[in-house]
Amino acid sequence: AQSVTQPDIHITVSEGASLELRCNYSYGATPYLFWYVQSPGQGLQLLLKYFSGDTLVQGIKGFEAEFKRSQSSFNLRKPSVHWSDAAEYFCAVTSGTYKYIFGTGTRLKVLA
Amino acid sequence: SAVISQKPSRDICQRGTSLTIQCQVDSQVTMMFWYRQQPGQSLTLIATANQGSEATYESGFVIDKFPISRPNLTFSTLTVSNMSPEDSSIYLCSVEDFETSGSSYNEQFFGPGTRLTVL
Repeated sequence: AQSVTQPDIHITVSEGASLELRCNYSYGATPYLFWYVQSPGQGLQLLLKYFSGDTLVQGIKGFEAEFKRSQSSFNLRKPSVHWSDAAEYFCAVTSGTYKYIFGTGTRLKVLA
Repeated sequence: SAVISQKPSRDICQRGTSLTIQCQVDSQVTMMFWYRQQPGQSLTLIATANQGSEATYESGFVIDKFPISRPNLTFSTLTVSNMSPEDSSIYLCSVEDFETSGSSYNEQFFGPGTRLTVL
């Protein structure tokens, strides 16, 4: 069955520390991958996407993600976290249709 | 990207009543989508709303419970009917925006959501 797994429900990091959020997918077709962020009381904002080409993609707010087909992963990274990055992060996959499959999300807490 | 607004932003409703949620987009879009995000869970697609045709519902969702309207290319409504506490969720509208995304692949943009609490 197609699925997206975000193994970490909660992550806490100190401001200025590096961050990596994990995303693993199970998908038979060529995946198109997304990371979204949801701040409290807000909708989802697209951080970055991978469709093809360079497996390291750059997004907004200093985030990047690397697609590793051999590991079925699409982990999100940021070298230095800011307090404003505290939010919930969702990984999503689609085969190219409108039917997204979302992970259960990772809630990020940033310590001052 | 497309700018999407939803009304109301939140509401508290009584069991057995209905609530209609509005979604407005600042540009014409072909496909609009409605999602549900139950507490502590991920997003689940309820239905796809195309202008000029009946909405297409995903497994587990039915028109009687979640009637949808799509009168034009910038607007849609979702009604949550005969509500129960299990309907307490965030309901999000999203759209495909090929023009802004610059690609031929499906990329969705989301509204701010409507937080519904049913007592």
